[in-house]
Amino acid sequence: SQTIHQWPATLVQPVGSPLSLECTVEGTSNPNLYWYRQAAGRGLQLLFYSVGIGQISSEVPQNLSASRPQDRQFILSSKKLLLSDSGFYLCAWSVRQGVNYIAKNIQYFGAGTRLSVL
Amino acid sequence: GQSLEQPSEVTAVEGAIVQINCTYQTSGFYGLSWYQQHDGGAPTFLSYNGLDGLEETGRFSSFLSRSDSYGYLLLQELQMKDSASYFCAVRGTGGGNKLTFGTGTQLKVEL
Repeated sequence: SQTIHQWPATLVQPVGSPLSLECTVEGTSNPNLYWYRQAAGRGLQLLFYSVGIGQISSEVPQNLSASRPQDRQFILSSKKLLLSDSGFYLCAWSVRQGVNYIAKNIQYFGAGTRLSVL
Repeated sequence: GQSLEQPSEVTAVEGAIVQINCTYQTSGFYGLSWYQQHDGGAPTFLSYNGLDGLEETGRFSSFLSRSDSYGYLLLQELQMKDSASYFCAVRGTGGGNKLTFGTGTQLKVEL
């Protein structure tokens, strides 16, 4: 069965410090991978997605970057955190399907990292 | 781009039926999904509609009308554990099978 691991669960960082959040998936190959951010009481904002090793698409301009050094590893980084980077960060994966294809494509989420930038 | 609208909050009593509506605007459409998220937890998949009509999964059903750009999630025989946030999400054009999520509806189930 497939599992997704995301760590750490909580993180408190000072403004200006670097960030590295890691996500790994087990039990599947060639997944699509996603990073979301969720502000308190709000919806999920897609930050990055990846369809393969080294292939990163950014959805919103921001202070963050993502990398996919291995097929099932997705990393979210920042060189200098801002107060506005605080939030709940979620990693997710899905089976890769054709783009123009109407079919159920479930995204499976990790447990999330609650980041507080102070 | 894509945008989705849902009510921000719904309250219902245990045992009742509740409907959560979702209207969307999207460039291209490859299905509407629903996810449940308990406080502090991760979203989990509930239901998917790719074509018009009703999909039923136990106590939960989801409906889609593509001509109206509208869908809803129906929860029957409400239980206290159904208190959570519910998000509709649409897959539009673009790579990565990515989803655009609505802002979520917080459902409170009361005794």
